[in-house]
Order: sequence, then structure tokens, then C-alpha cells
Amino acid sequence: AQSVTQPDIHITVSEGASLELRCNYSYGATPYLFWYVQSPGQGLQLLLKYFSGDTLVQGIKGFEAEFKRSQSSFNLRKPSVHWSDAAEYFCAVGAVSRVDTGTASKLTFGTGTRLQVTL
Amino acid sequence: DGGITQSPKYLFRKEGQNVTLSCEQNLNHDAMYWYRQDPGQGLRLIYYSQIVNDFQKGDIAEGYSVSREKKESFPLTVTSAQKNPTAFYLCASSIRTGYNSPLHFGNGTRLTVT
Repeated sequence: AQSVTQPDIHITVSEGASLELRCNYSYGATPYLFWYVQSPGQGLQLLLKYFSGDTLVQGIKGFEAEFKRSQSSFNLRKPSVHWSDAAEYFCAVGAVSRVDTGTASKLTFGTGTRLQVTL
Repeated sequence: DGGITQSPKYLFRKEGQNVTLSCEQNLNHDAMYWYRQDPGQGLRLIYYSQIVNDFQKGDIAEGYSVSREKKESFPLTVTSAQKNPTAFYLCASSIRTGYNSPLHFGNGTRLTVT
């Protein structure tokens, strides 16, 4: 079974500083990887996803993530953080199905990293 | 605009009562899901449905039930058998089945049982 580890529960950065949120996954085959963001009391919004191809993925709101198979990582980055980026960020992994049996997207989520931005 | 509507946003119930959480989507998505979110535990899958009149248990289905009578609707019932029902519940959908389909989420329902 797949699993996701987000080692940082809480991170604080200054506005304008760079950001990197860590995500490590465990899965025996090629994973599908996602980053979601959640504002307090809200649902989750998709930031970006990786399926195959270029290992550096661009997402919305200026975020990017890099897939590193050798390190089983999919870290999220942003060059300059804005105060509005304060939220909780979730990494998720979906397994690759060999045959399209119609299996639903049973994603496994990490426990999240709460980002605080200081002015 | 299309989206997923969860209602109500806040729900309070007495212990021992069943309660039903509503989830409606107008995205014409085939698959729908229910997740439970607890502090420090991320999201855990309760039930999911790939098509109408079909649904499957997720990782923590005990004490919950669902139905999928219409493509647009996927209500979740939290029964009195659920030992720790107080949580934030999120409904989601995806355009098609398959592990590469991103999930679209509603804004959640916070259930408090006392």
C-alpha cells in the first residue's frame, strides 16, 4: 500500500522569502502525485499534479514541485511567498492501475504542513 | 459556476442519533468520495462511488453509510455506531475513474456530536 510522509507539521516563513515543503512517498510502482492547499474551514484546492514526463511541474499561484524518483520525494516550492499563501498544504499519492478497471481515485494523503507567513 | 455543494456547513447532534450530510455536484463527474479530516491525521477515505447505484468502502467505513441514487448526489449518513463522529467531513468528485483523476472538493461540513 502507498503512503505519504510530510515531515514538517508547521513552517513559518517571512513574506518574500522562498519556501520548500517536503513530501516523501512510498509506493512500489510509478506514482501519481498531487499537492493540494486548504484554507481554514474550507475544502482542498489542487495546486499541481505529476503523472509522467518532465519532473519539474508548474502549478497555480506560482508554485512548482519536483519529482525525484531516487529520493522518493515530491517537494513543493515557491520562490517568493505572499501572506495569502498561509494555509495547510497536503501531498497525496495515487497508485497506477495496470488496467483501466474503472477504479476510483483512491488517493492517500499526508498529514499536512501548516504554513504561517510573517509580515 | 460548477462545483460541489456540501450542506450544512456546521452540524450539531446528540450522541446516539444518526445524521446525514449532503453532497451535491453539478460538474457531471462520474466518481464521488467522502473523506474525514481530523487534526494531525490528514484525510482518510470513508466511501467512494464510481457510478450510480454503486459504492465501495474506503479505509474507515465502519459506522458510516452512503447511497448514490443520482449522479449528482452522494449523501453520507453517520450512524450511532460510529464511535468518534466529531470531525470535518469533505466530499469530493473526479471527472472519471482512474488514479490520475484529480479530486475536486466541497467546502466541508463540520460535525459535532455531544
